[in-house]
Amino acid sequence: LAKTTQPISMDSYEGQEVNITCSHNNIATNDYITWYQQFPSQGPRFIIQGYKTKVTNEVASLFIPADRKSSTLSLPRVSLSDTAVYYCLVGLNTGGFKTIFGAGTRLFVKA
Amino acid sequence: AAGVIQSPRHLIKEKRETATLKCYPIPRHDTVYWYQQGPGQDPQFLISFYEKMQSDKGSIPDRFSAQQFSDYHSELNMSSLELGDSALYFCASSLQRRGADTQYFGPGTRLTVL
Repeated sequence: LAKTTQPISMDSYEGQEVNITCSHNNIATNDYITWYQQFPSQGPRFIIQGYKTKVTNEVASLFIPADRKSSTLSLPRVSLSDTAVYYCLVGLNTGGFKTIFGAGTRLFVKA
Repeated sequence: AAGVIQSPRHLIKEKRETATLKCYPIPRHDTVYWYQQGPGQDPQFLISFYEKMQSDKGSIPDRFSAQQFSDYHSELNMSSLELGDSALYFCASSLQRRGADTQYFGPGTRLTVL
């Protein structure tokens, strides 16, 4: 299983761009990188998924360097409602269906 | 769009009682996952099912069991409940794509053991 490492917490202000980097040094060749957002007492919510280079959707961008040993979730112009925990998960290529949530990043957006 | 449904949303039990949590995955999804999340903790994987067969087990106590039925809904059965079992229990479903699993989570069941 690819272990992931993220910052424990981050602070930001409304309107700023926030970049959260995740390290996954032992990512496997076929693994994808997926980011989830979780609000208190709610289930994690899919944000974005990518394999290499850059992926962008309506809420975020995901940057993955060529070696794929890390990835950066970019949230443009955050608002107070983006205060949440963000998890980086690396897809498994072991033939099983087991998911390990590492310690996520607690983002706090201030006015 | 249909989402993952969990029932009940809240459950209060006494120590040593049993509890059954239900999960209805998104239609046509072939994989179901169960997670436990204690207060202030990250989700902990319990067990998963692929095409109604148990696939992987995580940190699931022996007092817990789960199964997936022919209609793809899943149930998590918890016996001899302990105070430490108080947590949010999430179910997620996905359509398997090798290495690119995207899980859709339900709203969770909050279990309180008194």
